Amino acid sequence: KAGVTQTPRYLIKTRGQQVTLSCSPISGHRSVSWYQQTPGQGLQFLFEYFSETQRNKGNFPGRFSGRQFSNSRSEMNVSTLELGDSALYLCASSLGAGETEAFFGQGTRLTVV
Amino acid sequence: AQSVTQLGSHVSVSEGALVLLRCNYSSSVPPYLFWYVQYPNQGLQLLLKYTTGATLVKGINGFEAEFKKSETSFHLTKPSAHMSDAAEYFCAVRSGGNDYKLSFGAGTTVTVRA
Repeated sequence: KAGVTQTPRYLIKTRGQQVTLSCSPISGHRSVSWYQQTPGQGLQFLFEYFSETQRNKGNFPGRFSGRQFSNSRSEMNVSTLELGDSALYLCASSLGAGETEAFFGQGTRLTVV
Repeated sequence: AQSVTQLGSHVSVSEGALVLLRCNYSSSVPPYLFWYVQYPNQGLQLLLKYTTGATLVKGINGFEAEFKKSETSFHLTKPSAHMSDAAEYFCAVRSGGNDYKLSFGAGTTVTVRA
C-alpha cells in the first residue's frame, strides 16, 4: 500500500512569488491535513480537509490556502512568499473518522530567498 | 483546547540503556495521544497511539508508552537503546470527535552514545 506522497520534495522560491505544494494521501483516506515545521515554531497546524471541505483551520494568514479534490488529493498554496515561510511543509493523511491516526508524507522543503 | 509539553529538548543515552521521554498534555476532553519519530530530512513516523482501552500501549521498534490520566502524562520508554534510535521524537494530542488537528510538543532529540 503506497504511503503519503508529497511533491516536490525541495523548492526554492523568491520573495513575493507564490507556490503550490501537492499531497496524495493513502488510498481510501479522505482527510488531509497540512503542517508547517520550523526550528523556531516547531510543528504548527495549517488546515485540514475532509471530502473536499475545509474542516479545521490553524492560525495562519490568508496567504496560506488549500483545497482538496474529489480523489482526496490536496494542494496548498502560499501567495506573496516571505522569508519566514521557509519551512518543511508536511502533509498528513487519515481516514478522518473514529480513532484513526495520521500518517505523514516526507514533506516539501521550501526555501524562500 | 489542547497542548503538549515535552520535558527536555535533548536526551543523551548510552547504547543498551533505558530511553525515557516525558510528555504531559492538557485537554478539555478525553484525549487521543500519539508519539511520532522523525529522522533527518524525513517526515514523521507513527510509533504508537493511545485512544481508549489499555493504558499501556506498545508500539514499533520496542517502544511503549503509558497513559496516566491522573498525571496527564504519556511518557515514552524503550528498555534498551539502539544506535538507530537517534532521532527527534514528538508527542502529539488531539481531541476526539471530528477535530483531527494534532497539537505537537516541541520535540526531544535523542542521541545514542556507543
